[in-house]
Amino acid sequence: SAVISQKPSRDICQRGTSLTIQCQVDSQVTMMFWYRQQPGQSLTLIATANQGSEATYESGFVIDKFPISRPNLTFSTLTVSNMSPEDSSIYLCSVELIGDSGAYNEQFFGPGTRLTVL
Amino acid sequence: GENVEQHPSTLSVQEGDSAVIKCTYSDSASNYFPWYKQELGKGPQLIIDIRSNVGEKKDQRIAVTLNKTAKHFSLHITETQPEDSAVYFCAAPWSGGYQKVTFGTGTKLQVIP
Repeated sequence: SAVISQKPSRDICQRGTSLTIQCQVDSQVTMMFWYRQQPGQSLTLIATANQGSEATYESGFVIDKFPISRPNLTFSTLTVSNMSPEDSSIYLCSVELIGDSGAYNEQFFGPGTRLTVL
Repeated sequence: GENVEQHPSTLSVQEGDSAVIKCTYSDSASNYFPWYKQELGKGPQLIIDIRSNVGEKKDQRIAVTLNKTAKHFSLHITETQPEDSAVYFCAAPWSGGYQKVTFGTGTKLQVIP
């Protein structure tokens, strides 16, 4: 497994501001992902954070709203821009590790960042 | 992408009883099925997974079964304990690959002491 930390763990922000969330992993990983989990809901993939290139966004998510950086194989940031109350969610980073068989990749999650937008 | 359905959405059991959560998936090429446990205020934790080359996998009190023909897989928790209370998510990969997964809608399990 991997040890994944996120900062901040929670924040309360004003409408129209931006928040940058950091994700740090204790080992080098190839794949890093960012998810959103709205209150009481399942996890939705926002984007894949690519090291050295632009992130790959899923349908419904755009770079202007959720810019992502991945400067190296252990660190990534997600920014939630121009926030509105609808952005209130838990934001989770995850990493993918090679499983025991070598052919199946397991995902491990950070503790999440709980964002409330007023 | 994959379509994953999960049932039930909530489940209450008496301590010591068994709990079963079921998921169905749509992509017949999918061959890796993880289960996650999310406790209040924490991120999801991988608790068990199964590959398509086996029909069942056990780890102490938890087990997962897979029926590829029917495209469903289930999580079984035996001798439930209060610390098993959490939200459980199943997942399945997109289009037979492993690098992205679609999560089920979650099951809130309550174990009553």
